[in-house]
Amino acid sequence: GESVGLHLPTLSVQEGDNSIINCAYSNSASDYFIWYKQESGKGPQFIIDIRSNMDKRQGQRVTVLLNKTVKHLSLQIAATQPGDSAVYFCAEASGGYNKLIFGAGTRLAVHP
Amino acid sequence: DVKVTQSSRYLVKRTGEKVFLECVQDMDHENMFWYRQDPGLGLRLIYFSYDVKMKEKGDIPEGYSVSREKKERFSLILESASTNQTSMYLCASSLADRGLNFEQYFGPGTRLTVT
Repeated sequence: GESVGLHLPTLSVQEGDNSIINCAYSNSASDYFIWYKQESGKGPQFIIDIRSNMDKRQGQRVTVLLNKTVKHLSLQIAATQPGDSAVYFCAEASGGYNKLIFGAGTRLAVHP
Repeated sequence: DVKVTQSSRYLVKRTGEKVFLECVQDMDHENMFWYRQDPGLGLRLIYFSYDVKMKEKGDIPEGYSVSREKKERFSLILESASTNQTSMYLCASSLADRGLNFEQYFGPGTRLTVT
């Protein structure tokens, strides 16, 4: 299998619980943030994004919160399901050419 | 749906070999990117391209080069593969919409092992 995430922090949750994955970003000038989900053997997939002029954005079962004061981003997953088990990456963007700077990732393990 | 494909899922090469990793996207995206992914380090940008024949170094370009002769295709080249280039390589593409949408679409990755 894939070796991605061997040394990642892991969040273990029970199926049906809510999950909160945290991310600290480094550049106070970053104006766009994005969360990706990467399942084993696949490339990262977009979950949700948020611009710096917002502090909260909701999607289907997911919410992203942005605290610019402390440069902190979080992803909340409601009613976590086994299919949510994956590695989650936050990324920040600033400047041109759509460059993203990725965090190291967090592994979410959902237990029945 | 945007589709980004990579030529190989798994590759095994010997030290010193020249290695080509190919990436093709079908959505007419201007920007294309090559990352490598290693445990605990996230995705690190090797090179990116914002137009045909245009390229810019990312954070870790040493030992790599790229080629973009056509808009849909972006190739990563390891001139002389070394064991420390054993990694997962991810290609991505995105629109160049001047900051309105930074979403990048990723391929499935190529797991390269250099022996």
